[in-house]
Amino acid sequence: DSGVTQTPKHLITATGQRVTLRCSPRSGDLSVYWYQQSLDQGLQFLIQYYNGEERAKGNILERFSAQQFPDLHSELNLSSLELGDSALYFCASSPSGLAGYEQYFGPGTRLTVT
Amino acid sequence: QKEVEQDPGPLSVPEGAIVSLNCTYSNSAFQYFMWYRQYSRKGPELLMYTYSSGNKEDGRFTAQVDKSSKYISLFIRDSQPSDSATYLCAMKGAAGGTSYGKLTFGQGTILTVHP
Repeated sequence: DSGVTQTPKHLITATGQRVTLRCSPRSGDLSVYWYQQSLDQGLQFLIQYYNGEERAKGNILERFSAQQFPDLHSELNLSSLELGDSALYFCASSPSGLAGYEQYFGPGTRLTVT
Repeated sequence: QKEVEQDPGPLSVPEGAIVSLNCTYSNSAFQYFMWYRQYSRKGPELLMYTYSSGNKEDGRFTAQVDKSSKYISLFIRDSQPSDSATYLCAMKGAAGGTSYGKLTFGQGTILTVHP
């Protein structure tokens, strides 16, 4: 158990809908990262937040947005969902003071868009 | 062309074998090199990391980085059935900058160690 929690574990929804994925980092970790894992693209970095501020951005679609709250939990919002958004979404957190290479991953949320 | 290339396998070996997993990369800005292990239906977990070039050993695992060739390896000695998992190489640039926390992963190699 990494100490990172994600809810829900599974999500099934229809095209065009909007969903919110939630992540709680390990106690004391200020950085939160979101990744998308699919069979064809592998594990892709989406976005990083550090203590409430956006720190780094990957190839995140405009239909996707994220935020980190004062209690450090983070939410990833996916809107206007398409079939191709079906994937595993992972949240990770890392201790501050390191270069961000040591990331602890949660169990993931499996999103299925029908 | 992807920044990080990794042979997806699958790789099947007998228990006790030495396993060699490899990745190549094209971005010379990468400074940190990691290996993550992912069991089925779980999140990746960090196995080892190396900063810049060199070797690092941890028990049965050895990580090697050759920056001149843009090539990294993970060796597993005396492999066990419990090592069966997907192994992902990951890389990142130096601290700071707009890609501070971004890890770039390889596709992952599926390894099965059979008794």
